[in-house]
Amino acid sequence: GAVVSQHPSWVICKSGTSVKIECRSLDFQATTMFWYRQFPKQSLMLMATSNEGSKATYEQGVEKDKFLINHASLTLSTLTVTSAHPEDSSFYICSARRAENNSPLHFGNGTRLTVT
Amino acid sequence: SQQGEEDPQALSIQEGENATMNCSYKTSINNLQWYRQNSGRGLVHLILIRSNEREKHSGRLRVTLDTSKKSSSLLITASRAADTASYFCATALGGTSYGKLTFGQGTILTVHP
Repeated sequence: GAVVSQHPSWVICKSGTSVKIECRSLDFQATTMFWYRQFPKQSLMLMATSNEGSKATYEQGVEKDKFLINHASLTLSTLTVTSAHPEDSSFYICSARRAENNSPLHFGNGTRLTVT
Repeated sequence: SQQGEEDPQALSIQEGENATMNCSYKTSINNLQWYRQNSGRGLVHLILIRSNEREKHSGRLRVTLDTSKKSSSLLITASRAADTASYFCATALGGTSYGKLTFGQGTILTVHP
C-alpha cells in the first residue's frame, strides 16, 4: 500500500487564491520531506527540502514567500502556493524518508494544480 | 540544477523486445536510482545502484553504472505493454544531502502489444 499520501490529487483554483497541498507519511516518521514540481512532459525539479521543526531549504530560483512549506510534525508537510498564477499550474510531488541513513525514499502520487 | 541527461527521449518498441535507456550525469554521486512514472501519476522506485557497484539486477531490469564515464543504463528485457511509462534516472549525493535527488529528463517508453 501507499506509504506516502498526497492530498488533494488535483485542484483547480482561480488566480490570486492560495492552495494548500498535504504530504503525509502513513506508517513511518519522516524527518525530511522533499517537494518537487513537474511541468508537462518535463522532468521533476526539486523545489525545497522540508525538515521537521525547522525552516525549509529552498532551491535556487524558488520563491520562499510564494511557496510556503510547513513541516510541523513528523508525518505531515504542507506546501501552500500563495497568490497562485496560471504559470504555477503544474504537477507537485512530495517524497519522504525516515531518519536512518540509506532509508528508501517514498513518493506521493502527486497533485495536479490548475490555476485559471 | 538539473544534471541528468537521458537518451533516447522517446523509445517505441514491440512487446517482447528489450528496451535500453541511458543516463548521464555531471557530478560525483553516492548512488543512482531509476524511477518509473505512469502518465499523471507519482513515481515508482525501480532500482538503486551505489557508486561502488557496476551492475545490478531486479527481475527483468538490469542497471549498469560507469562512474568513470558518469553514465548509467537501464535495460528492460522481454518488455510488456504494461511497461509503457516514463522512466527517469535520479542521482543522489550522500551525507546531509541524502534523499535530495536530481532527475534526468526522462525517456518515454511505449511498448506496442
